Amino acid sequence: NAGVTQTPKFQVLKTGQSMTLQCAQDMNHEYMSWYRQDPGMGLRLIHYSVGAGITDQGEVPNGYNVSRSTTEDFPLRLLSAAPSQTSVYFCASSASSGQESSYEQYFGPGTRLTVT
Amino acid sequence: AQSVTQLDSHVSVSEGTPVLLRCNYSSSYSPSLFWYVQHPNKGLQLLLKYTSAATLVKGINGFEAEFKKSETSFHLTKPSAHMSDAAEYFCVVSDLSATGGFKTIFGAGTRLFVKA
Repeated sequence: NAGVTQTPKFQVLKTGQSMTLQCAQDMNHEYMSWYRQDPGMGLRLIHYSVGAGITDQGEVPNGYNVSRSTTEDFPLRLLSAAPSQTSVYFCASSASSGQESSYEQYFGPGTRLTVT
Repeated sequence: AQSVTQLDSHVSVSEGTPVLLRCNYSSSYSPSLFWYVQHPNKGLQLLLKYTSAATLVKGINGFEAEFKKSETSFHLTKPSAHMSDAAEYFCVVSDLSATGGFKTIFGAGTRLFVKA
């Protein structure tokens, strides 16, 4: 198993450009999520999905869109990039999406995004 | 609503001395609690998790944590620090969300420095 994969590893955007961060997992996990990591703030949840066709907002959803058309893929779209979106982005997946919140999340290696 | 507070932004210990990283949480339901470690420029690795079984949880690399419901704490400890323990540590709470599935909230992180 490849686990959770993310592409690209690094990206530089100009303000106003759009792009999609890709995330895929091959563990048949129902639950997937996107986080951003900024110095001194830990990881903050952007959006998450409890299964194909179902998504919901996390703590910091503004400026980001997601969709979940398949179990495997959970892309994150930046519609109009801003310097405030400069961050490291992590995708994660988990086997659980229901009552049992005890399953750990598996993290991808991250995407380092810089917006100038 | 969930929240996680890591009481120290950084902790410095000497090699061979005990480690204590403090974490307090709040949750509306019965949460699952985790500690993750992140080495510089690396992804996140699960150290240990609490899932309503034993209150003293043992993890990898000699770390353990004790869940104290009365104090809403989940402090991470290790009897003897090693140089390789130098990293950032995140306390994480995962709980049911109002819309189904679960939400995960990260603490801001504690950076552990280990002196020779």
